[in-house]
Amino acid sequence: EAQVTQNPRYLITVTGKKLTVTCSQNMNHEYMSWYRQDPGLGLRQIYYSMNVEVTDKGDVPEGYKVSRKEKRNFPLILESPSPNQTSLYFCASTPKGSGKGEAFFGQGTRLTVV
Amino acid sequence: DAKTTQPPSMDCAEGRAANLPCNHSTISGNEYVYWYRQIHSQGPQYIIHGLKNNETNEMASLIITEDRKSSTLILPHATLRDTAVYYCIVRVATGGFKTIFGAGTRLFVKA
Repeated sequence: EAQVTQNPRYLITVTGKKLTVTCSQNMNHEYMSWYRQDPGLGLRQIYYSMNVEVTDKGDVPEGYKVSRKEKRNFPLILESPSPNQTSLYFCASTPKGSGKGEAFFGQGTRLTVV
Repeated sequence: DAKTTQPPSMDCAEGRAANLPCNHSTISGNEYVYWYRQIHSQGPQYIIHGLKNNETNEMASLIITEDRKSSTLILPHATLRDTAVYYCIVRVATGGFKTIFGAGTRLFVKA
């Protein structure tokens, strides 16, 4: 089954404790992306990746890091989480190609930083 | 990437067609119009996309005006399960994946 898998689904952590949210896709998609969603603000893009070792900032990259060492994985790293990073996070993948672009989203990771 | 404007909320009676408008007056020639929806806090789900021709699939129809400055997503026979937030976005299909989601339209389908 084609899917994007995020882990964990729920996470409560303390300020300053480094964490990683994993994202994996099994569709051999070139593009992957991370979003955060906050009430009243919709979905905002954090980082995106066009291929292995190619990443770029989205609209709200501060406080986050990403890496793309393998095509299927795109982890989101919070080196020193703060309470304002409490949010619902989504990973997405998309195939490359003109006219394509259907993005597949994971089920989300609800992060609480206390 | 161009930005979009959508009404914050709409109501629709069950069984009737739901017509969701989107304004994208600054769209570029190589940008596609995509529609997604999000039910509760689940991951957004792709619905349909198009460049300039009208498109139809098993979920919906997409009508794009001739000048491409606006579009309408049509759910032909809305059901209660179509209650969701619907997002219209525009972006290039190649060469990048920077994507701007707006606030979307919250569609309420009522029995």
